[in-house]
Amino acid sequence: DAKTTQPTSMDCAEGRAANLPCNHSTISGNEYVYWYRQIHSQGPQYIIHGLKNNETNEMASLIITEDRKSSTLILPHATLRDTAVYYCIVRVGSNTGNQFYFGTGTSLTVIP
Amino acid sequence: DAGVIQSPRHEVTEMGQEVTLRCKPISGHNSLFWYRQTMMRGLELLIYFNNNVPIDDSGMPEDRFSAKMPNASFSTLKIQPSEPRDSAVYFCASSFGLAEVNEQFFGPGTRLTVL
Repeated sequence: DAKTTQPTSMDCAEGRAANLPCNHSTISGNEYVYWYRQIHSQGPQYIIHGLKNNETNEMASLIITEDRKSSTLILPHATLRDTAVYYCIVRVGSNTGNQFYFGTGTSLTVIP
Repeated sequence: DAGVIQSPRHEVTEMGQEVTLRCKPISGHNSLFWYRQTMMRGLELLIYFNNNVPIDDSGMPEDRFSAKMPNASFSTLKIQPSEPRDSAVYFCASSFGLAEVNEQFFGPGTRLTVL
């Protein structure tokens, strides 16, 4: 029920931008795109979310295509601490709490 | 803020024994989630509560699993009897259930090993 497709793994050089793609071609008009990451042995950590517009916070930027069928998470200056599994999730916002269904994610390795 | 607290952090038990995992959500949060993570199946949602009421338990694998939330500051996930295939990391997460905002905060997890 993940509804998203991500590459299994990616490498990125330290200090360079990491661009993580996600396909969500069946996304509905009221579904948000969320990104979480999981550093080894820790619980997942929220990164960013968006609906239609591009979003930016202190961690990352989220670029959503105009047709909303895909998105890209951008870590502008990757560090070794950004090595983690990154999950792209689409889900309807709900007042009773969001049920997130995590897929397999993208394993990002930042190389010195 | 201490974040989501889970106990124990590690549990090793023998097949057939009862296992109880505990979670204290972040104060003020009104939604609580239990997840299980294995190498084979990834991160799976088991059950979630809103205002202490179970909303969706469709992810609970079978009757051996049960979860309760007697009050806003405590939840348990119980496995009785436990089996080796229940070995996994169990995460608890909480959120303040507003539409659109819903960032979930995860605890450190409980690593369960059933021998």
